[in-house]
Amino acid sequence: GDSVTQMEGPVTLSEEAFLTINCTYTATGYPSLFWYVQYPGEGLQLLLKATKADDKGSNKGFEATYRKETTSFHLEKGSVQVSDSAVYFCALRNAGRRALTFGSGTRLQVQP
Amino acid sequence: GAGVSQSPSNKVTEKGKDVELRCDPISGHTALYWYRQSLGQGLEFLIYFQGNSAPDKSGLPSDRFSAERTGGSVSTLTIQRTQQEDSAVYLCASSPRDGTLFYNEQFFGPGTRLTVL
Repeated sequence: GDSVTQMEGPVTLSEEAFLTINCTYTATGYPSLFWYVQYPGEGLQLLLKATKADDKGSNKGFEATYRKETTSFHLEKGSVQVSDSAVYFCALRNAGRRALTFGSGTRLQVQP
Repeated sequence: GAGVSQSPSNKVTEKGKDVELRCDPISGHTALYWYRQSLGQGLEFLIYFQGNSAPDKSGLPSDRFSAERTGGSVSTLTIQRTQQEDSAVYLCASSPRDGTLFYNEQFFGPGTRLTVL
C-alpha cells in the first residue's frame, strides 16, 4: 500500500538558517503530494502541493519539488523564522483513494 | 467564511463508555473525512463520505467505530465501549466536490482530543 516516510524530529534551527525536511513516498501510479503544517494549538493547514512529476509547490517561502525518479518531495526554506515553528506533515493522495496518507510528522523548532 | 468546526474540543471518558464526536464541514463541501492522530500511529484515515454515495469505511479500526452524515452536512463519529488505545485527537476535514480532481484540498478542523481513562 501507499506510505510516506519523513525524517524524524525535532529539528532545531536558529533563525535565518536553511531548512530541509526530507520526505519520500511509496505509491502506485501517480499520486499528488502535499505538505501540511500544524501550528501550536491549531488545525492542519495545507502549505503547498504538487500534482505531477517535476512540479514545484511553493508558499510562504517554502518550496518542494515532486521528484518521481527518487520518489521524494523534500520541503525547503532558505531562511526560517521563529514563527515557522510547527509540525510539518508530508502526505500523498492517490487517484485510487480519496483519503490522504500522511507521514509521521516532523517538529521544527526555530530559536531566535 | 467559517471553517470546519468540531465539538467537543476535549472529551474525557471512562473505559467502556460510548462517545460521540461531531463535525460541521464548510458549507457546500460535499466530501467529508475523519482521521485519527495518535502518538503511536501518526495520522490515520478512518472514513470518507462523498455526497449520497456509500461511505468508504476502510480505515475504521474496529466495529466499535461508526460514523453517520446527516443531510449531506454534519457528521457524527461514534465510538462504542471505548478503550484506552482509542485515546487520540480525532480530526475532521472537508473538501469541495470530489470528482475527478483528486487533488482537491482538504480543510481540517481543530480536532477533538479524546482521553479514555
